[in-house]
Amino acid sequence: AQTVTQSQPEMSVQEAETVTLSCTYDTSENNYYLFWYKQPPSRQMILVIRQEAYKQQNATENRFSVNFQKAAKSFSLKISDSQLGDTAMYFCAFMREGGSEKLVFGKGTKLTVNP
Amino acid sequence: GAVVSQHPSWVICKSGTSVKIECRSLDFQATTMFWYRQFPKQSLMLMATSNEGSKATYEQGVEKDKFLINHASLTLSTLTVTSAHPEDSSFYICSAAPLAGVRDTQYFGPGTRLTVL
Repeated sequence: AQTVTQSQPEMSVQEAETVTLSCTYDTSENNYYLFWYKQPPSRQMILVIRQEAYKQQNATENRFSVNFQKAAKSFSLKISDSQLGDTAMYFCAFMREGGSEKLVFGKGTKLTVNP
Repeated sequence: GAVVSQHPSWVICKSGTSVKIECRSLDFQATTMFWYRQFPKQSLMLMATSNEGSKATYEQGVEKDKFLINHASLTLSTLTVTSAHPEDSSFYICSAAPLAGVRDTQYFGPGTRLTVL
């Protein structure tokens, strides 16, 4: 069974600075997908970024980028130029390849961006 | 694009009654929908996977007779909490996996807060 571990329950960062959230996972699969979801106080889950395991290039979405280390089974999220609206719970998630597979979530990291 | 709605957004009911929660994919068809439960300050816990036209697959420990799931069409899945009790009070979230396009991504509804008195 796959597991996802987020070792930082809470983190804080000053506005405009950069922060990195950690995620490790365990799987015997070779092809899979990794995600970071954001859950702000509204509790709406928002997809932040997605990475296919077969791609060596790290995914980026504007101020969000990942450092995907397949051999180390590590998938960290870097947020640059942090904004107050980035304050949220961030969940790392794993999905097997195959279409319509279930997501396995980590326990989440609560990120607070301070003015 | 890729919008998922849930109705109602919140509901309060008396112990022993049943409550139905709807999950709709508004601008795409979904082969598969998922139902999650989330307690305060915790992660999402998958309850069941729902495929259109077939029986739902429940995760271990989830009572299928208590949490009835129906996936009647490619855009609608419903979760019915039968004979609800206070311990069923929680935040219920659905997600949908598109039939076409980026299939290996799930889009989430805004959630339903259930309070059982």
